[in-house]
Amino acid sequence: EAGVAQSPRYKIIEKRQSVAFWCNPISGHATLYWYQQILGQGPKLLIQFQNNGVVDDSQLPKDRFSAERLKGVDSTLKIQPAKLEDSAVYLCASSSGTGGYYGYTFGSGTRLTVV
Amino acid sequence: DAKTTQPPSMDCAEGRAANLPCNHSTISGNEYVYWYRQIHSQGPQYIIHGLKNNETNEMASLIITEDRKSSTLILPHATLRDTAVYYCIVRVDNFNKFYFGSGTKLNVKP
Repeated sequence: EAGVAQSPRYKIIEKRQSVAFWCNPISGHATLYWYQQILGQGPKLLIQFQNNGVVDDSQLPKDRFSAERLKGVDSTLKIQPAKLEDSAVYLCASSSGTGGYYGYTFGSGTRLTVV
Repeated sequence: DAKTTQPPSMDCAEGRAANLPCNHSTISGNEYVYWYRQIHSQGPQYIIHGLKNNETNEMASLIITEDRKSSTLILPHATLRDTAVYYCIVRVDNFNKFYFGSGTKLNVKP
């Protein structure tokens, strides 16, 4: 099966600019996650979708970050305006279910550099 | 927040077994232990998971203590390509959220 697709692979922007990341999960996976990974740290969960509804966005900085998952498939994560501390790898993951023993499949991520 | 504790780094000689420990002393009875690894510039990759019993697959073995407060991931014959950061994760609720700690950086040396 095809994996989780993310684009772009790399992005460099100036602070206060806007940026958007795109994720296409594995076909049929109902649950989609966005993680932020700062260099040297483990991934930090930003938001979780179940189909096209938000399950948890408690760690999403909502003053500048937004995410949507239209039609329960693709998802977009946006940052507006970006700050230097947003420099990180943004990882998308999907899962076929909740509860039980369902694991995640991750994409390769988008590396964002804010200068 | 992560419910696991792992050493920050470990070394292993190529061809030898790599044993990566993880403490999860507050684990609940219905929480699974998962292991993922992350090779440089890639997303985390699933390795193995378990609830109570020891598990083995083509990649690794997972040994969970009887009280479930700790576990060990075993790579039986480590290769240079196993150099990565290994994350031990306890799935914390029924909505399948994974909280990552800082992981263990495994360095496999020739």
